[in-house]
Amino acid sequence: DAGVIQSPRHEVTEMGQEVTLRCKPISGHNSLFWYRQTMMRGLELLIYFNNNVPIDDSGMPEDRFSAKMPNASFSTLKIQPSEPRDSAVYFCASSSSRSNTEAFFGQGTRLTVV
Amino acid sequence: DAKTTQPTSMDCAEGRAANLPCNHSTISGNEYVYWYRQIHSQGPQYIIHGLKNNETNEMASLIITEDRKSSTLILPHATLRDTAVYYCIVLPPDTGRRALTFGSGTRLQVQP
Repeated sequence: DAGVIQSPRHEVTEMGQEVTLRCKPISGHNSLFWYRQTMMRGLELLIYFNNNVPIDDSGMPEDRFSAKMPNASFSTLKIQPSEPRDSAVYFCASSSSRSNTEAFFGQGTRLTVV
Repeated sequence: DAKTTQPTSMDCAEGRAANLPCNHSTISGNEYVYWYRQIHSQGPQYIIHGLKNNETNEMASLIITEDRKSSTLILPHATLRDTAVYYCIVLPPDTGRRALTFGSGTRLQVQP
C-alpha cells in the first residue's frame, strides 16, 4: 500500500483565495483525521471521520474551514477565504476502527498564505 | 483522556540507549500508552503501544511501571536517524473511534 496520500505537498496562495487540501486514506481504513501543525500550537486535531461521518469537528478553527468525506477513499479540507494565519502544515491520517490499531499519517501539505 | 508529561528535550550519544520517560499518573485502567515520533518535516510515525506488560518490537521497547503511572520508551541503540520529537499519548481501546491528542513531546537529539 502506498500509505496515506496527500495533495498537494506544497501550496502557496494569496489571502482571500479558496484552498482545497486532499487526502486519500489507506484502503480498508475507516477512520480519517485532519491535523494542523504550527510552531506556536504544535499538532492540533481539526476533525475526524468514522465511516465517512464526521465524529468530532470541535477543533475546526472557524467557519472558514470545512471538511468532507464523500466516500471511503477520499477526503477534502477546504479553507475559504484563506488568511495568512492559516499558514501551517496540514496532516491527514487514517486508521482502522479495530481496537488498538495505529494511525498512519501522510506526508502533509505545507500551506503558505501570503 | 489522561494527560501526559514529558521532558522537553533530551540528548543521547549515537549507539547508546535512549530512554525517554513519560508520566501519566491519571491513566485509567483500560487506557493504553502509545508512542509516536515525528522526524523533521514528516508526518508522525507509530512506534509502539502497551497496556500493562512491557512490549518490544523492531523499533523500541516500552516499559510500563506496575502502577501504570509512568512509562519509558527505550531505543536500544540510537542512531542519528532517531533524532525526532517523541510523543507519549494515552488512549482508551477502540482507537479507531478516538483521535490522538498530541502534547509537546520530547525532542531527542542523537549526537554523533
